[in-house]
Amino acid sequence: SQTIHQWPATLVQPVGSPLSLECTVEGTSNPNLYWYRQAAGRGLQLLFYSVGIGQISSEVPQNLSASRPQDRQFILSSKKLLLSDSGFYLCAWSSRQGGGYEQYFGPGTRLTVT
Amino acid sequence: KQEVTQIPAALSVPEGENLVLNCSFTDSAIYNLQWFRQDPGKGLTSLLLIQSSQREQTSGRLNASLDKSSGRSTLYIAASQPGDSATYLCAVDYNDYKLSFGAGTTVTVRA
Repeated sequence: SQTIHQWPATLVQPVGSPLSLECTVEGTSNPNLYWYRQAAGRGLQLLFYSVGIGQISSEVPQNLSASRPQDRQFILSSKKLLLSDSGFYLCAWSSRQGGGYEQYFGPGTRLTVT
Repeated sequence: KQEVTQIPAALSVPEGENLVLNCSFTDSAIYNLQWFRQDPGKGLTSLLLIQSSQREQTSGRLNASLDKSSGRSTLYIAASQPGDSATYLCAVDYNDYKLSFGAGTTVTVRA
């Protein structure tokens, strides 16, 4: 069966510090990978998605970046965090099943920028 | 812009009552629609995926319908239990790898 991992689970970082969040998927190959952010009281915002190694698409302009160094690894980074980067970060994966890209989510990382 | 709306934003029902959650979308050219559940502080759990060629999907006490022509999907939860308390989100896939999410309906089932 497929499993998706995210770490760390929680993170408190000062403004201006760097960020690295990691997501890995087990039990599948060549998945589509996604990073979402869920800010307090707001819906899910798609930040990045990747359909293959080294292929990253950005959805919103921001000071975040993403990389996919391996098939089942997706990393979210920032060089300098802003207060507005606080939120709940979710990684997800999908693969085509009978015509539909059903998405599966990880447990999330709670980021607080102070 | 493809918009997904969920009304009401919150719902409180007594245990045993059937739940009806609504999702509407502005662009009817969808590829599939997915319903999720989110518990506080947790990730999203996929409940049901309805492909554009289907009119409904069922899993246990859950039944989701899809009417593309009217831009609506409804999630029915039969005989609600306190454990059903959570936020339910619908998301629409327009066959471009990405999901457009509604803001969710927060459900409280009172014992």
